[in-house]
Amino acid sequence: DVKVTQSSRYLVKRTGEKVFLECVQDMDHENMFWYRQDPGLGLRLIYFSYDVKMKEKGDIPEGYSVSREKKERFSLILESASTNQTSMYLCASTEVNRYNEQFFGPGTRLTVL
Amino acid sequence: SQKIEQNSEALNIQEGKTATLTCNYTNYSPAYLQWYRQDPGRGPVFLLLIRENEKEKRKERLKVTFDTTLKQSLFHITASQPADSATYLCALGGEGTYKYIFGTGTRLKVLA
Repeated sequence: DVKVTQSSRYLVKRTGEKVFLECVQDMDHENMFWYRQDPGLGLRLIYFSYDVKMKEKGDIPEGYSVSREKKERFSLILESASTNQTSMYLCASTEVNRYNEQFFGPGTRLTVL
Repeated sequence: SQKIEQNSEALNIQEGKTATLTCNYTNYSPAYLQWYRQDPGRGPVFLLLIRENEKEKRKERLKVTFDTTLKQSLFHITASQPADSATYLCALGGEGTYKYIFGTGTRLKVLA
C-alpha cells in the first residue's frame, strides 16, 4: 500500500521560531509537493521538487524554504514562523508522468501563536 | 489570472439520489482534470482523471464529464450513500508543467 507520511499531525509553535515539516514517501516518486490549505482558499502550492536537490517555487513561496537531499524525503522549512502561517500543510508525491494522481499525506495542522 | 470555481456552499442530497458537483475554470487550457475526495482532517484522495480529448469517464458509481468549450467539468455520484459525504476537489493540470491548480472544493452531505 503506497504511503506518504508527515512528521506531525498537529504542531504548535511560537512566532519567530524555525519550523521543520517533514514528508516521506515510499513509492520512489520523482515529484514531491508542499501545499497549504486554508478555508475558502483551497490548496495553494508552496514549493515542489522534481528530483533530488531540485526545487521550484510554487504560488506562495514567501516565508518558506525546502530541502530534498534524498528522493523519498521532502522538508518544508518556515524560517521565522508568523501567525499568518497558521494553516494545514499537505505534502504530496507523483510519478514523473504528470497525468498521474497525486498521493497526499495526512497533513500537519500548524498553529503559530 | 487562472481561476477555478466550485460551489462553495454545501450540497445536501437524499440517499439514493444522484449528486452532481460542478467545476468551472477560466483563463486556462488544461490538458487534464482530476477529482479528489477529502475527509475532514485528512489529505485528499484521488478518484478520477479525465483528459482534454475525453468527454466522459466512469468508475463504478462515479462519472466525470469534461467540456472544454464550456470550460466545465461535472462530477456525478449515482445511488449516493451517507458514506459519500465528504469534500470533493477538482484539480487542473496543463502541458509543460508539473503544477496542479486546485479548486476550493464542494462539501457534499448525503442524508439517510
